[in-house]
Amino acid sequence: EDQVTQSPEALRLQEGESSSLNCSYTVSGLRGLFWYRQDPGKGPEFLFTLYSAGEEKEKERLKATLTKKESFLHITAPKPEDSATYLCAVPGAGGTSYGKLTFGQGTILTVHP
Amino acid sequence: NAGVTQTPKFQVLKTGQSMTLQCAQDMNHNSMYWYRQDPGMGLRLIYYSASEGTTDKGEVPNGYNVSRLNKREFSLRLESAAPSQTSVYFCASNNQGASGNYEQYFGPGTRLTVT
Repeated sequence: EDQVTQSPEALRLQEGESSSLNCSYTVSGLRGLFWYRQDPGKGPEFLFTLYSAGEEKEKERLKATLTKKESFLHITAPKPEDSATYLCAVPGAGGTSYGKLTFGQGTILTVHP
Repeated sequence: NAGVTQTPKFQVLKTGQSMTLQCAQDMNHNSMYWYRQDPGMGLRLIYYSASEGTTDKGEVPNGYNVSRLNKREFSLRLESAAPSQTSVYFCASNNQGASGNYEQYFGPGTRLTVT
């Protein structure tokens, strides 16, 4: 059974204070990893897909990286508008099961001005 | 282009009542999903439909039924609501292909309370 664990559960940063969020996973074979952002009262919003170890993707102040055991979401010089819950997820294995995402519990990020 | 839409946004039910949550997408996606989100439990897959005419169970299907009405619409039915089904329900869609898995796009959610 696939397992996804995110840490920390909550992270409070000052504006401009860079940090990283962790997503560790246990899967039968690496099939990719997704990062989502979720604002209060809204649905998750897609950020990144990473498919292979060593891959990196960037979007504004966010950079996602992937190893064989975990993924990091690096936030550089965050702003208050980056405050949200960040979720990672791994797809299921084989055929139509690809769509069966297993999500971590999320990291609640708060950035203070 | 509205993306994924869900109705209703909020609902309060009494134990034993039934209701159907509606979901529609206008992105011509072939796959659709229903999740529930509970504090401390994250998002969990209830049912999914890989393509029109097919449905399959996810992690927590008990107490729910689904119908893939057409390519655009995927509904979730609670036949006899229980307090344990109090949650936020999200619908999602994507173009899942044999060559890989593509990002899922989520609706705004339905906040359901069962008393």
